[in-house]
Parts: sequence; structure tokens; C-alpha cells
Amino acid sequence: EAGVAQSPRYKIIEKRQSVAFWCNPISGHATLYWYQQILGQGPKLLIQFQNNGVVDDSQLPKDRFSAERLKGVDSTLKIQPAKLEDSAVYLCASSLVGYEQFFGPGTRLTVL
Amino acid sequence: KQEVTQIPAALSVPEGENLVLNCSFTDSAIYNLQWFRQDPGKGLTSLLLIQSSQREQTSGRLNASLDKSSGRSTLYIAASQPGDSATYLCAVRQVETSGSRLTFGEGTQLTVNP
Repeated sequence: EAGVAQSPRYKIIEKRQSVAFWCNPISGHATLYWYQQILGQGPKLLIQFQNNGVVDDSQLPKDRFSAERLKGVDSTLKIQPAKLEDSAVYLCASSLVGYEQFFGPGTRLTVL
Repeated sequence: KQEVTQIPAALSVPEGENLVLNCSFTDSAIYNLQWFRQDPGKGLTSLLLIQSSQREQTSGRLNASLDKSSGRSTLYIAASQPGDSATYLCAVRQVETSGSRLTFGEGTQLTVNP
């Protein structure tokens, strides 16, 4: 069974630029999550989708972050404009509704 | 608001030693608790999941216990090996009206020396 796929694996941008990350969940998983993991900390949930609807985006900085999950499969997370403090690993996870979450390898973002 | 704390933040042990990692959480109304492993530059690998009704789970050299009433969990690693070196994260899952988020601790960075 293929795991959660993410791209790119690494991204370096300058502050005020825009960036987008892509996630392809495990086939059949209705629930998709985006987490932000700052160096030395545990992951923090940014947004949770069930199919193509948003379930929880209470910790998403909506003035600069956006996410979508068209057709209830792939998802993109966008940051515009980026700030220095957005440097982190962005993890995507997926699960069957109410079940264990499986994580992708993450995208490491460096904002200069 | 749920808070998860892991102690110690870092641990260095010689190969072959048995060790215990600790996790505590402030809100005992949880669905389950998971222990993850994270290697440098990699994503998270789930090690053990304990449902709120369970007391412990075992997988190979790993044993995780859960005391929901006191808000504590431990991960026991027997006969540690250099390949066990990684960061270990504890996460609790709660069901809220808006979803089923995982709340993570900050992790314990384990180094097993040959």
C-alpha cells in the first residue's frame, strides 16, 4: 500500500514570497490533515479536511495561509506572503474517518 | 486546552539498556494516545496506539502504558539498540465538535550509543 506522498521535499524562499505544498493521501482515506512542525517542537494541526470540506481550521493563520482539497483527494497548502517564522516542516497526514493517522515525509521550508 | 508534556527532552544511554520515556497530558477526556518515532528529516512513524479503554500495548521490544485518570503514559524500550536513536513523540487524540485533532508533546530525543 502506497503511503502519503508530499512534494516538494525541500523549499527555500525569501520572506514575502509565496509557496505551495502538495499532498496525496493514502487511497480511500477521507480525512486529511496538515501540520506545522517548528524545529524542536511537536507538530501542530493547521487544518483538517473530511472529503473536500474543512472540519477544523482553528489554528490556521488565515491572513497568510490557505488550503484546499478539491475533489476530496489531493490537497495543497499555500503561504502568501511568507514570514521568517514560517520556517518549519509541513507534514501531511491522512486517515479513515476516526482512525489512526498516517504521515507523509514532510516538506522542509526555509524562509530567508 | 489540552497540553502534552514529555520528559526528558533528551536522553543518552549505552546500548543494551532498558529505558522509559514519559508523557503527561492535562485533559483526561481522550479517545486514544499514540507514540510516534521521527528520524531526522523524516516524517512520523506510528509505533503504538492505545485506546482510552486499554491499559497497555506491546510491539516487539516496545511497551506503552496508559493511565488515563492520572494523565500519564510511558513508553518502555527494552534492550535498546543504536538503531533506536530518534525523536519519540507522544500524541493524544480528543474528539471535539470541530474534529478529532492530535495534540503532540515536544518529543524526547533518544541517542543509543554503541
